[in-house]
Amino acid sequence: GQNIDQPTEMTATEGAIVQINCTYQTSGFNGLFWYQQHAGEAPTFLSYNVLDGLEEKGRFSSFLSRSKGYSYLLLKELQMKDSASYLCAVRSSASKIIFGSGTRLSIRP
Amino acid sequence: GAGVSQSPSNKVTEKGKDVELRCDPISGHTALYWYRQSLGQGLEFLIYFQGNSAPDKSGLPSDRFSAERTGGSVSTLTIQRTQQEDSAVYLCASSKGGELFFGEGSRLTVL
Repeated sequence: GQNIDQPTEMTATEGAIVQINCTYQTSGFNGLFWYQQHAGEAPTFLSYNVLDGLEEKGRFSSFLSRSKGYSYLLLKELQMKDSASYLCAVRSSASKIIFGSGTRLSIRP
Repeated sequence: GAGVSQSPSNKVTEKGKDVELRCDPISGHTALYWYRQSLGQGLEFLIYFQGNSAPDKSGLPSDRFSAERTGGSVSTLTIQRTQQEDSAVYLCASSKGGELFFGEGSRLTVL
């Protein structure tokens, strides 16, 4: 089966850096996604990792360690608009994509 | 189309009634997923279609739930004899092998 764990809530300060962790257990691994979801809206794609290492995209970076079943999303220079839920999702070898429960990030001025 | 289209955007129904939710994926996307999201919760996997292969129905919560995908394009999620616990946002997403593109969802309220 598949199991994905991430913290339920986090709080950070505008302009700072925050790291959101995700651990997973899956039968077959074929990539890990991070999505952002603002309240009342559909999720939007942030990043995709299939090999170990760090992928950087502007203020957002995502890291993957397949041997440890671990990923993190790093958000730099936080802005108030970054207040949202961040969803970690894992694709199995059969291409089924399962989401974690999401981390609700609050940014304070 | 330009994006994933879902209808209706909102549906209010009485307990015991059947409902149909429609998803029109992005043209050329071979994979289609249905998820359910209750208020403040994560996305619960329901069903996954890939091309002409048999769908992965492992997430459907009961036999009241079914889905089909006609001609490899439009999909319909049907909930029979709705219950109050079925109230949620039903999200559809399509993909051509990479990231998922989501529709805006269908909000179902069962009274």
